[in-house]
Amino acid sequence: GQNIDQPTEMTATEGAIVQINCTYQTSGFNGLFWYQQHAGEAPTFLSYNVLDGLEEKGRFSSFLSRSKGYSYLLLKELQMKDSASYLCAVRERAAGNKLTFGGGTRVLVKP
Amino acid sequence: DAGVTQSPTHLIKTRGQQVTLRCSPKSGHDTVSWYQQALGQGPQFIFQYYEEEERQRGNFPDRFSGHQFPNYSSELNVNALLLGDSALYLCASSPPGQGASEAFFGQGTRLTVV
Repeated sequence: GQNIDQPTEMTATEGAIVQINCTYQTSGFNGLFWYQQHAGEAPTFLSYNVLDGLEEKGRFSSFLSRSKGYSYLLLKELQMKDSASYLCAVRERAAGNKLTFGGGTRVLVKP
Repeated sequence: DAGVTQSPTHLIKTRGQQVTLRCSPKSGHDTVSWYQQALGQGPQFIFQYYEEEERQRGNFPDRFSGHQFPNYSSELNVNALLLGDSALYLCASSPPGQGASEAFFGQGTRLTVV
């Protein structure tokens, strides 16, 4: 099975940077996904990492270290609309396209 | 491209009833997965369909069943509804292949059991 941990809640100021960490334990890692989810809405795909290193997409970046079972999502130049939950999900090699999610990190951006 | 679409968006059912939720995957995607998301938690995997067969299943009772049609659309059926089945039900689709780098969710069906 898998164990995925991420902080429950984080608060940051508009214009600042926030880093959301995700640690996981899995046998047969086959990719890590980050999603953004606003209250009452479906998760929106943000990024995918399968190799070590940093993937940058505009204000959002995601990092992966497979040897450490660790990823982070970096949100730069925070905007009020970034207030949402951020979900880390891991896929195992033997599990097809099944994703196992962490509990999500609720980010609150304050003016 | 309509993306992943689900219906209905909201549903209220009584304990003991049965419900059917529907999902149409994104164009070009052939794998459909269903998730249950309780308030304040991450989505929990229910099962996945590929080539009209259930390929993977999470820790959900047999009251939860599904189907995939030749056009890749899918249904989730829940029998003998319990109050604890109240949740957001999400459908995710992904393209062919085990190492797909994308998995997109529909807008979800909010099920309330009273």
